[in-house]
Amino acid sequence: NAGVTQTPKFRILKIGQSMTLQCTQDMNHNYMYWYRQDPGMGLKLIYYSVGAGITDKGEVPNGYNVSRSTTEDFPLRLELAAPSQTSVYFCASSYPDRGHSNQPQHFGDGTRLSIL
Amino acid sequence: GEDVEQSLFLSVREGDSSVINCTYTDSSSTYLYWYKQEPGAGLQLLTYIFSNMDMKQDQRLTVLLNKKDKHLSLRIADTQTGDSAIYFCAESKTGFQKLVFGTGTRLLVSP
Repeated sequence: NAGVTQTPKFRILKIGQSMTLQCTQDMNHNYMYWYRQDPGMGLKLIYYSVGAGITDKGEVPNGYNVSRSTTEDFPLRLELAAPSQTSVYFCASSYPDRGHSNQPQHFGDGTRLSIL
Repeated sequence: GEDVEQSLFLSVREGDSSVINCTYTDSSSTYLYWYKQEPGAGLQLLTYIFSNMDMKQDQRLTVLLNKKDKHLSLRIADTQTGDSAIYFCAESKTGFQKLVFGTGTRLLVSP
């Protein structure tokens, strides 16, 4: 039962490099999300998607891009890595709410990214 | 605006009860959640409460909601060393899945 899988688990980048953080889920969830968690802080929403082909900005989208070509995958792209993007990145997924039916978000184990 | 606040640290002895507190500002919040994060892992949903409820109990966990004061608490009975983790409070609105997280409370349980 894989759930939400994130790769890689760890990565060190140099300033200005680019990379893609991968996220895939096998629960057929419509909604997917990317968060970042800075030390001693809660999670901040970067981007989210309500279905294939649809993405929208969250609270802290600058410096990132996303795409959602399939239901299963929601990659996060850093084009020009900056030290301020050193963080732990979490992907999550959920079903959409149905009236008062709560649909909790399921999280991956995170990608720890350092920009030096 | 949306803001969720938690105390940063709580230390208890094994077998005692732990109470983790959270305050939020958005009165239209409909769902309030408690997540647990163990070292090196993602967030695990512990429990949640709908805003028209005052209390929810789930085994050793009791959630209390004071909607008037916008205060949420998580009580863990008979706290064990395995409960040591960071606990996040989060809120969202009905039909709208964006979660707003607090900064997390680090719970340390000593033997």
